[in-house]
Amino acid sequence: ILNVEQSPQSLHVQEGDSTNFTCSFPSSNFYALHWYRWETAKSPEALFVMTLNGDEKKKGRISATLNTKEGYSYLYIKGSQPEDSATYLCASPRGGSNYKLTFGKGTLLTVNP
Amino acid sequence: GAVVSQHPSWVICKSGTSVKIECRSLDFQATTMFWYRQFPKQSLMLMATSNEGSKATYEQGVEKDKFLINHASLTLSTLTVTSAHPEDSSFYICSARDTIAGGHYEQYFGPGTRLTVT
Repeated sequence: ILNVEQSPQSLHVQEGDSTNFTCSFPSSNFYALHWYRWETAKSPEALFVMTLNGDEKKKGRISATLNTKEGYSYLYIKGSQPEDSATYLCASPRGGSNYKLTFGKGTLLTVNP
Repeated sequence: GAVVSQHPSWVICKSGTSVKIECRSLDFQATTMFWYRQFPKQSLMLMATSNEGSKATYEQGVEKDKFLINHASLTLSTLTVTSAHPEDSSFYICSARDTIAGGHYEQYFGPGTRLTVT
């Protein structure tokens, strides 16, 4: 069983604050790590796929880093805006050709104006 | 690109009836789609993998006769909850798998369906 853990469970920040949260996964047999943003009543949106140790990816004010040796990834949001309010999910695939993802429970971010 | 639709977005049905949920990839072909279920404050739990032209594969503990999956085309998979009971009330969400740069896969999700069985 692949365990993917996310912390914190929820987070409240003020507009303009920068924030970050964590995804932990087993470091053995690592293949990839996915981040998604899920706004209420919308489809989860794919943010990043990360595969190599030390990877750093950026999309606007959101960036992510990957440490496969210790089994964690950080997601950073610089200068949070109310529209960043969402649940951020990470997921890692199990072995096998179908590429089944195991998800964490997510971090619910609320950005107060 | 990479848009997945899901219909209906919510449905209320009576106990004992069946409900069909559709998942469509709108701008790409998906040989593989996935069906998930989410309980409150829990993670997305994979129910089954839907493969175009072949039988779905179900995760341990998921009843294949209760959750019928059909993937008849490269853009459509359906999940039918048969003889629904109140404990089947949940949020169901599908995804379609696509190949991205580097030969890796990404899953693109529909918006989900809230099922309430009375």
